[in-house]
Amino acid sequence: AQTVTQSQPEMSVQEAETVTLSCTYDTSESDYYLFWYKQPPSRQMILVIRQEAYKQQNATENRFSVNFQKAAKSFSLKISDSQLGDAAMYFCAYRSSQGAQKLVFGQGTRLTINP
Amino acid sequence: NAGVTQTPKFRVLKTGQSMTLLCAQDMNHEYMYWYRQDPGMGLRLIHYSVGEGTTAKGEVPDGYNVSRLKKQNFLLGLESAAPSQTSVYFCASSYPGLAYEQYFGPGTRLTVT
Repeated sequence: AQTVTQSQPEMSVQEAETVTLSCTYDTSESDYYLFWYKQPPSRQMILVIRQEAYKQQNATENRFSVNFQKAAKSFSLKISDSQLGDAAMYFCAYRSSQGAQKLVFGQGTRLTINP
Repeated sequence: NAGVTQTPKFRVLKTGQSMTLLCAQDMNHEYMYWYRQDPGMGLRLIHYSVGEGTTAKGEVPDGYNVSRLKKQNFLLGLESAAPSQTSVYFCASSYPGLAYEQYFGPGTRLTVT
């Protein structure tokens, strides 16, 4: 079974600075998807960014980018120019290419933005 | 287009009581999922469905039952609630196919006393 590990329960960053959230995963598959979800205090799960394992190029969405290291099974999220609205829980998730596209989540990292 | 909705948003149960959580989606998605979220553990899959009339167990299915009688609805039942089922429950849905993301409902906070 696949597992996802986020080793940073909490992180904080100054507004306008850059922060990197870590995620590692374990799988024997070669084809899969990885995701970062944001969960603000409203509880709504918001997709931030996705990465297809077969793509070598790291995904980027505006101020959000990932560092995908397939051999190391590492998938970190970099947030540039941090804004107060980025404060939230962030979850890393894995989805297999097989079966019913079930998501396996990490434990989450709570990100605080200091003004 | 309401997306994924969940009913109720909050509920308090006494140990041994039963209840049903309703998830509805208006996007004609084939796949639907129920997750629970507990502090320090992320979201874990309870049950899922790949189509009307089908259900399957996820990672933590014990104490829950589900039904998918209509394509747009996915019901999660607790027959005899236990304090260990105190959690936030999320429903999600998606089209089949790796390119499609899962859309999540707003969650239901359930407390069992």
